[in-house]
Amino acid sequence: KAGVTQTPRYLIKTRGQQVTLSCSPISGHRSVSWYQQTPGQGLQFLFEYFSETQRNKGNFPGRFSGRQFSNSRSEMNVSTLELGDSALYLCASSLLPGPTDTQYFGPGTRLTVL
Amino acid sequence: GDSVTQMEGPVTLSEEAFLTINCTYTATGYPSLFWYVQYPGEGLQLLLKATKADDKGSNKGFEATYRKETTSFHLEKGSVQVSDSAVYFCALSDLGNAGNMLTFGGGTRLMVKP
Repeated sequence: KAGVTQTPRYLIKTRGQQVTLSCSPISGHRSVSWYQQTPGQGLQFLFEYFSETQRNKGNFPGRFSGRQFSNSRSEMNVSTLELGDSALYLCASSLLPGPTDTQYFGPGTRLTVL
Repeated sequence: GDSVTQMEGPVTLSEEAFLTINCTYTATGYPSLFWYVQYPGEGLQLLLKATKADDKGSNKGFEATYRKETTSFHLEKGSVQVSDSAVYFCALSDLGNAGNMLTFGGGTRLMVKP
């Protein structure tokens, strides 16, 4: 079974631009979550989607948004990029959105903002 | 709110040494506990998990026991290999939250020398 895939793997943008990252979950998984990983803040939860609905949102500004499609694929968007948005963005999928359900992570998209 | 505290690294060991990485947590509900591992340039891989008190998770020689009385989930391995060199993250998912948002510790880098 194919794992979680994320595209693109690497991105370089400049301040003020916007970016869209894509995540395809494991086949059959319906819950998708996004995390930001930085050396300073570590791993932080961005948001979680299930059945095209956002169920949880972390403590990030409104510039960070996401959505989920009917096939469970998800995208996240960051508008008006800032230098501090440089990070590894990880997507994770699980069968269902329960706390005992294991989340499987993709390889991440490394975003560099210049 | 929920939080996870892990011992700071790096932890440097010789091959075949015994490994312990400490992890303690604070949670408002009844969490599930996880250990994830991250190899250089990759996403997170689930190493093991435990969903209730006194459960022992194990995988690839690694073990961790869910201790509710001490709010701990320490990771152990009897004999480490060079290939175990990676960053290890302790995480929890709280039943008190809707969904399966993971709260991570800061990560512990393990370096195993031949």
